[in-house]
Order: sequence, then structure tokens, then C-alpha cells
Amino acid sequence: KAGVTQTPRYLIKTRGQQVTLSCSPISGHRSVSWYQQTPGQGLQFLFEYFSETQRNKGNFPGRFSGRQFSNSRSEMNVSTLELGDSALYLCASSLRTGKMNTEAFFGQGTRLTVV
Amino acid sequence: QKEVEQDPGPLSVPEGAIVSLNCTYSNSAFQYFMWYRQYSRKGPELLMYTYSSGNKEDGRFTAQVDKSSKYISLFIRDSQPSDSATYLCAMRGDSNYQLIWGAGTKLIIKP
Repeated sequence: KAGVTQTPRYLIKTRGQQVTLSCSPISGHRSVSWYQQTPGQGLQFLFEYFSETQRNKGNFPGRFSGRQFSNSRSEMNVSTLELGDSALYLCASSLRTGKMNTEAFFGQGTRLTVV
Repeated sequence: QKEVEQDPGPLSVPEGAIVSLNCTYSNSAFQYFMWYRQYSRKGPELLMYTYSSGNKEDGRFTAQVDKSSKYISLFIRDSQPSDSATYLCAMRGDSNYQLIWGAGTKLIIKP
């Protein structure tokens, strides 16, 4: 069974630009969560999508947005990039059936560098 | 105060030692507890998953939950250099699916 696939793996962008990251969850998984990971702040929750609807949202500015498609694939967009957005962006999928099967399985991440 | 506290380390131990990693939490509603291992430049991978209190063993790894003390532990027996990684705890309640994460403990196993 294929794991969580994130593309691209590495990205270099300039301040002020916008970026879109992609995540394909494990087949059959309907929940996709996005995280930002930096050395100083650790793993910070961005948002979760389930059945194409945002179900939870972390404490990030509106420049960070996402969406989920009918095939459960998800994209995350960051507009007007700032130097502080440089981080490893991780996507995690889970089966999420009722209260069970909520363990998160992570992709390799997209390392974003803003210069 | 953070909901989940985890010492960032680094924790350095000799090969073969028993390692104890811990997290404390403040929310008594947490029922699901997970341990993840993250190697450098990789995504976290799920190691152990427990529900409510008690112990769970998987090979050299044992996860322990003490809900009365709001304290969870991960023990690694016969530690190997390949166990060197950052270990993150995560947990959630019954009604909210959002995982709350510890900061992660960097573990170094010296050959």
C-alpha cells in the first residue's frame, strides 16, 4: 500500500510569492492534516480536512489556506510568503472511521525555503 | 502552560541501555496516546498507539499510560544507534480528533 505522498520535496521561493503544496493520502484515508515544523516551534497544526470540509484549524494567519478534493487529495497554499514561513510542511492522513482509526500517517514533507 | 509537556533533550545514552521518554499533560479528557519517531529530514512515523490507561508492548518498545498522574512513557530496551531520532508524543480526547503534540525529545544512542 502506497504511503502519503507529498510534492514537491524541496522548494525555494522569494518573499512575497505564493506557493502551493500537494498531498496524496493513503488510499482509503479521508482525513488529511497539515503541519508546519520548525526547529524552534516544533510541530504546529495548520488545519485538517475531512470529506472536502475543513474540520479543525490551528492558529495561523489567513495567508495559509487549504482545500481537499473529492479523491481526498489535498493542497495547501501560502500567499505573500515571509522569511518566517521557511519550514518543513508535513501532511498526515488518517482513516478516521467514527472515533477510531485516527492514527496519523505522515508523508516525507516539503521543505520550503523563503529567501 | 502547554497542554503537553515534553523535555526536548537531547538525551544521550550508551548502546544497550534502557531508555525512558516521557510526556506530561494537563487535559484529563485525553484518551488516545501515541508515540512517533522522526529521523532527521523525514516525516514522523507511528511507533505505538494506546487507548486509556495501561501498558502496551511491541518488541523492544513499551508504552505506558498513567491517567491518574497525567503521565505517559515510552521505554526502549536494548537501545541501538539506529534508535537515535526525535521522539514525539501526541494525544487527543474522545470528541476532538485534533492531535495535541509534545515538542519532541531528541535521543542519541552512543555506540
